[in-house]
Amino acid sequence: QKEVEQDPGPLSVPEGAIVSLNCTYSNSAFQYFMWYRQYSRKGPELLMYTYSSGNKEDGRFTAQVDKSSKYISLFIRDSQPSDSATYLCAMTKGNEKLTFGTGTRLTIIP
Amino acid sequence: GAVVSQHPSRVICKSGTSVKIECRSLDFQATTMFWYRQFPKQSLMLMATSNEGSKATYEQGVEKDKFLINHASLTLSTLTVTSAHPEDSSFYICSASNTLTGELFFGEGSRLTVL
Repeated sequence: QKEVEQDPGPLSVPEGAIVSLNCTYSNSAFQYFMWYRQYSRKGPELLMYTYSSGNKEDGRFTAQVDKSSKYISLFIRDSQPSDSATYLCAMTKGNEKLTFGTGTRLTIIP
Repeated sequence: GAVVSQHPSRVICKSGTSVKIECRSLDFQATTMFWYRQFPKQSLMLMATSNEGSKATYEQGVEKDKFLINHASLTLSTLTVTSAHPEDSSFYICSASNTLTGELFFGEGSRLTVL
């Protein structure tokens, strides 16, 4: 079993819809949870950075962490074509290497 | 905001030659940097953890003599692919951990093509 599971998609939604991206994990020691966005042929860009459980909101993006269920989510409101990218969840126990999900390819249809 | 610069962004080389890729943190100090490779349609795979002033820690299955890592300063780490072969063709990405905050930022990546 992988430490982090993420549906690779692809996921296609119409412009303006709410997008829900999710990851599950097995290692209860993970404390820091991140979502990265990666455009084609580019390095990943940090979107959200959350410590422990709870919600964090930044503009159209909301990250949720449920440590009891070992489940994290990223919601994108009012989705735009420019949101089309691969979204990677990542997590770590602390200031060390990240463990990544496989990434979900998202396409927003105009 | 914090920026990590990776150079070169693209490199094409002949089989048997060595290639050096640089990773710089531009406005923060990074005691720890990480090197990943990414094959098409796959997630990032950690190759090694680079710590300033000490030897890098390599992940299982990564040849340390083939992928030489040097982290000589708090803002620069280099990855040298020695005697590159076509199977080394990949997208190599570095990340730098802000020493003060622990946040991790990625470079834009370097696409290596070995002919």
